[in-house]
Amino acid sequence: QKEVEQDPGPLSVPEGAIVSLNCTYSNSAFQYFMWYRQYSRKGPELLMYTYSSGNKEDGRFTAQVDKSSKYISLFIRDSQPSDSATYLCAASQGAQKLVFGQGTRLTINP
Amino acid sequence: GAVVSQHPSRVICKSGTSVKIECRSLDFQATTMFWYRQFPKQSLMLMATSNEGSKATYEQGVEKDKFLINHASLTLSTLTVTSAHPEDSSFYICSATNRGNYGYTFGSGTRLTVV
Repeated sequence: QKEVEQDPGPLSVPEGAIVSLNCTYSNSAFQYFMWYRQYSRKGPELLMYTYSSGNKEDGRFTAQVDKSSKYISLFIRDSQPSDSATYLCAASQGAQKLVFGQGTRLTINP
Repeated sequence: GAVVSQHPSRVICKSGTSVKIECRSLDFQATTMFWYRQFPKQSLMLMATSNEGSKATYEQGVEKDKFLINHASLTLSTLTVTSAHPEDSSFYICSATNRGNYGYTFGSGTRLTVV
């Protein structure tokens, strides 16, 4: 079993829709949770960073962590074609290596 | 915000030659740098972790003599692919973090093609 599981998709939604991306993890020692966006042939870009359980909102993006169920979510409101990318969830125990999910390929159709 | 510069962005080399990839943190001191490899449509696979001034820690299955990592300063880490072969062709990405900041910053990646 992988430490961080993520549905690879692909996921295709119309412009303006709310997108829900999810991951589960198995290591209860994980304390830090991140979402990265990666465009084709580019390095990942940090979108959201959360410590422990709770919600964090930044513009159209909301990250949620539920440590009791080991569930990580990213919501994108009013999705735009420019949001089309691969989204990677990641977790770590601290200033140590990140463990990534497989990444979900998302396409927003105009 | 934190910026990590990675060079070159793309390199083509002949089999048997060595290639060096540089990763620099531009506006912060990177106590730890990570090197990843990514195959098409797959996630990032951690190759090694390097701390400034000490030997890199390699993940299981990664040949340390083939993938030489040097982290000589708090702003620079290099990955050298030695005696490259076509199966080494991949997308290599570095990331860096500084003490107290857990938002790891990634470089833009290097696409290596070995012919």
